[in-house]
Amino acid sequence: DVVMTQSPLSLPVTLGQPASISCRSSQTLEHTDGITYLSWFQQRPGHSPRRLIYNVSKRDSGVPDRFSGSGSGTDFTLNISRVEAEDVGIYYCMQGTHWPPLTFGGGTKVEIK
Amino acid sequence: EVQLVESGGGLVQPGGSLRLSCVVSGFSFDIYWMSWVRQTPGEGLEWVANIKPDGSDRYYVDSVKGRFTISRDNAKNSLYLQMNSLRAEDTAVYFCGQNTGMDAWGQGTTVTVSS
Repeated sequence: DVVMTQSPLSLPVTLGQPASISCRSSQTLEHTDGITYLSWFQQRPGHSPRRLIYNVSKRDSGVPDRFSGSGSGTDFTLNISRVEAEDVGIYYCMQGTHWPPLTFGGGTKVEIK
Repeated sequence: EVQLVESGGGLVQPGGSLRLSCVVSGFSFDIYWMSWVRQTPGEGLEWVANIKPDGSDRYYVDSVKGRFTISRDNAKNSLYLQMNSLRAEDTAVYFCGQNTGMDAWGQGTTVTVSS
């Protein structure tokens, strides 16, 4: 199984400042079809997760452009250019290249300083 | 608008059974893979199972193989998870999701396995 490792575990940020979350996979996530199936999800307190980014860098409909994804191979990053209060929550990465099983990272908790 | 609504959770004794349902709207259910993912209290997310659009292929996480069965009724836009021989470690919020990429999620239904 592919192990997804996120860091940091907790990320205190100042409103208006940037934030960055790392996600590393135990195997390369580039599929034989050429697509890298790496997604990012946001889970606000008391809510179900919501997908923000798929295929490393494609934003889902309605996701603010302050969220961006990058990376390749085994190393990926979610960036928030200027953190807003509504961005508080837990962020997860997930790989969909080598399944079953689909596997998630352990999560990064974003909070306001 | 894409919507997924789970139901069927509850309190059950170890060894018991539950059947979860997920009714969807806002997309063509019969052309999508569908998934179940669970979240244990205070913990992260774990994929449980998924099923091909026509129901001909199903996959499970090792810990539920032989105990859980995923199924679907495309005429009813509905996804199911039959859970048998439940254990305490199955206690979680269960989410249904659109596609293997979890494009959209339901609000979740809580399953508690306890005596």
